[in-house]
Amino acid sequence: GIQVEQSPPDLILQEGANSTLRCNFSDSVNNLQWFHQNPWGQLINLFYIPSGTKQNGRLSATTVATERYSLLYISSSQTTDSGVYFCAVAYFGNEKLTFGTGTRLTIIP
Amino acid sequence: DVKVTQSSRYLVKRTGEKVFLECVQDMDHENMFWYRQDPGLGLRLIYFSYDVKMKEKGDIPEGYSVSREKKERFSLILESASTNQTSMYLCASSSRAATYEQYFGPGTRLTVT
Repeated sequence: GIQVEQSPPDLILQEGANSTLRCNFSDSVNNLQWFHQNPWGQLINLFYIPSGTKQNGRLSATTVATERYSLLYISSSQTTDSGVYFCAVAYFGNEKLTFGTGTRLTIIP
Repeated sequence: DVKVTQSSRYLVKRTGEKVFLECVQDMDHENMFWYRQDPGLGLRLIYFSYDVKMKEKGDIPEGYSVSREKKERFSLILESASTNQTSMYLCASSSRAATYEQYFGPGTRLTVT
């Protein structure tokens, strides 16, 4: 099956810093999603981005499908950005997502 | 906005009990999913349903069954709960007519003692 790797596994930053999270995947995909898991465990949808670039406030994401990676950018980090960020992918014709192991982001005041 | 709800946020059950976890979505999605999440193991798919009364096993179906009698509701059943089923359970739904983007419920933390 498809393999998904996320890096770094852990990231600790001061409030106000910028960060880049990376997701590498092993095969062509037609679904790529970024999620933020909040401290209560809920997965919040950030981006649906199988290709191209999207922005939503301080967050943006880019997927380069031909090179099989996606990047999530967080600018001017806030303590509420803390949590685990997951990348998940599915290949064409498969509705089931494969999740990466996540990046744990800790923002220090 | 898509809304996926789960019947309980926290649940404590005894070994051997039959446990029902319920999930309801309000967006007329065809697909519904049950995952469990454990430290160090990530999210793993237990079962998937692509239509009413239709189901497909995921990666770890052993010890679980599911029921989908109505399009909006997907139930996960632990026939005889065991301590190794203590976990966070997450339900999700997606549309086959659109992008297959999955939306998750708030999760149920189940403890089996």
